[in-house]
Amino acid sequence: KQEVTQIPAALSVPEGENLVLNCSFTDSAIYNLQWFRQDPGKGLTSLLLIQSSQREQTSGRLNASLDKSSGRSTLYIAASQPGDSATYLCAVRHVNQFYFGTGTSLTVIP
Amino acid sequence: GAGVSQTPSNKVTEKGKYVELRCDPISGHTALYWYRQSLGQGPEFLIYFQGTGAADDSGLPNDRFFAVRPEGSVSTLKIQRTERGDSAVYLCASSSLNANTRELFFGEGSRLTVL
Repeated sequence: KQEVTQIPAALSVPEGENLVLNCSFTDSAIYNLQWFRQDPGKGLTSLLLIQSSQREQTSGRLNASLDKSSGRSTLYIAASQPGDSATYLCAVRHVNQFYFGTGTSLTVIP
Repeated sequence: GAGVSQTPSNKVTEKGKYVELRCDPISGHTALYWYRQSLGQGPEFLIYFQGTGAADDSGLPNDRFFAVRPEGSVSTLKIQRTERGDSAVYLCASSSLNANTRELFFGEGSRLTVL
């Protein structure tokens, strides 16, 4: 069964710093990988989706990379802002199933 | 609709009662998923619909849980004889069946509290 791990579980950084969140998965036979943001008490908001044939995707200050063979993805956030404070989750898709990590709780200190 | 809509947003019930949670997916999305999320955890898969049929219900914890999607759009998750351990946020997500993307879009969730 696919296992998805996110490290660190929590991260606190001062405003303006660049940061990297990590996601690892045990089975490289994935169709795609999706990064989400979740604010307290809210649903998940899709940030980026990387298809299995892609190496990276960018949206604004966010850049996600995928190394399928090593079972890793990173989410890079440039010039962090207090509004980036949230929990970030990654999910990998295999056929019709999506497997989620437990997330990284990010706090950006003004 | 513009996004995935879930009702109610909050539900407080007593142990043993019956509960229904509703999900209205993005218009045209054939795939619909139900997940359950406990505090500090990632979403846990419950059931997946492709059209009207449940293509995978392997995540339903026991026979007290049941879900339907009779017309291939709105889905209802039904929980009988609720227990305190059922307390969680129930999330619904939908996606198109384009094999190249299958981007998941979530609703805001229904927070269930069983007293």
